[in-house]
Amino acid sequence: KQEVTQIPAALSVPEGENLVLNCSFTDSAIYNLQWFRQDPGKGLTSLLLIQSSQREQTSGRLNASLDKSSGRSTLYIAASQPGDSATYLCAVSKPNRDDKIIFGKGTRLHILP
Amino acid sequence: GAGVSQSPRYKVAKRGQDVALRCDPISGHVSLFWYQQALGQGPEFLTYFQNEAQLDKSGLPSDRFFAERPEGSVSTLKIQRTQQEDSAVYLCASSLAVGESSQPQHFGDGTRLSIL
Repeated sequence: KQEVTQIPAALSVPEGENLVLNCSFTDSAIYNLQWFRQDPGKGLTSLLLIQSSQREQTSGRLNASLDKSSGRSTLYIAASQPGDSATYLCAVSKPNRDDKIIFGKGTRLHILP
Repeated sequence: GAGVSQSPRYKVAKRGQDVALRCDPISGHVSLFWYQQALGQGPEFLTYFQNEAQLDKSGLPSDRFFAERPEGSVSTLKIQRTQQEDSAVYLCASSLAVGESSQPQHFGDGTRLSIL
C-alpha cells in the first residue's frame, strides 16, 4: 500500500530565506507526483506536477524534483515571502483507469515577516 | 463559474441526520473525485466518477456514504445517519483526464461538516 510521508510537519523561517520541503513515498511505481498548496479554509491549488519520466519542474520561485527510484521528492522555495505561508501537500498517483492520488499529511509553512 | 464550486461551505448536523453535499465541477471536466480531509491530515480518496459512471468507490468508509453524478456534471455526496467521526472537510476535485494521470486535479474549497 502506497504511503506518503512529509517532513517536517511544520516549519517557520524568516522572510527571504530559501527552503526545502521533503516528501517520500513507499511504492516507486508512480505515474506522477504533484505538489499542492492549501490555505486555511480553502481547497487545494496544484503548484507543480512531475511526470514519472521527468526529474524536475519549475514555476517561478518554486522548483520540485523527483527521484522515483529512491521514492523522494523535494519542493524548493526561493526567496520566501510571507504570502508563501500555507500548508504544502505532496501527492502521488498510480497508472490506472482512475487518477486516484495519495496525499501526505502536509508541511505547515510559516514565513516570518 | 471558472472553478469547482461546492455547497454548502459549512454544514452542522445532529448525529443521526442525513446530509447532502453538492459539487459543481469545471464545465467539460470528465473526471470528478471526492476526498475527505480530517483536521491536520491530508485528503483521503473517497470515490471517483468518469462522466456519470462511478468507477471507484473503494474509499467510502461505510454503506452510509453514497455518491452520484447522474448527468455527468454535478455530483452529490450523501451521508446517512451521520456519526461524529464523519466530521471533516469534504473536498471535490475535477479534471479533464480520462484514464490518464497527466492532468492536474482542480479542487473546490470544500464543505466543512460538523456533527454534533
